[in-house]
Amino acid sequence: EVQLVESGGDLVQPGGSLRLSCAASGFPFSSYSMNWVRQAPGKGLEWISYISHSATTIYYADSVRGRFTISRDNAKNSLYLQMNSLRDEDTAVYYCARDHRWTTPPGDDGMDVWGQGTTVVVSS
Amino acid sequence: SYELTQPPSVSVSPGQTASIACSGDKLGNKFAYWYQQKPGQSPVLVIYQDDKRPSGIPERFSGSNSGNTATLTISGTQAVDEADYYCQAWDSNPAFGGGTRLTVL
Repeated sequence: EVQLVESGGDLVQPGGSLRLSCAASGFPFSSYSMNWVRQAPGKGLEWISYISHSATTIYYADSVRGRFTISRDNAKNSLYLQMNSLRDEDTAVYYCARDHRWTTPPGDDGMDVWGQGTTVVVSS
Repeated sequence: SYELTQPPSVSVSPGQTASIACSGDKLGNKFAYWYQQKPGQSPVLVIYQDDKRPSGIPERFSGSNSGNTATLTISGTQAVDEADYYCQAWDSNPAFGGGTRLTVL
């Protein structure tokens, strides 16, 4: 079964740090680009970061650039999001989502597999 | 950053056709994607590459994309289709629309 399982969400104080993980199974993880997408309470989906299959291409949304770092370990079939200098507005459910296979260009595939999400609450 | 605009809400009677629009600059030159999200659940891809349905998505879901507007159409809408729907496209990176709440009443 193709599956993504996020973990690492927690309650953290403003200015704090947190590391999210996403464990992939059931598909060749190293062949796919990946995204982190978040959803604040009662709000819509917000894309925040992308990493190509080999980690040679990385993008960030303006809202997190300089504070968050995406990475992956293909040997461990895992995706990560290091979040520093957290703010109240980072409170959200964070999803990892599979993107395009390495044989297709960005934008040619949708995000066809999503995890169940992990909740991050930033509050004092 | 690339902006995609959706109506906040759409209402439809059971059995009727629901259409949800998504507008963006030259969106027709890009692939449009649509996701369905029900309360408490993760998003599900329902349309990819403008008009294709992933395996397991009912035939009543269809899509089109031309000019500056992509449209998700649900024919014979059922109560189970009540959900939030998001469009998505790639510019220099992925972008989502603000979402449309579909109410079946």
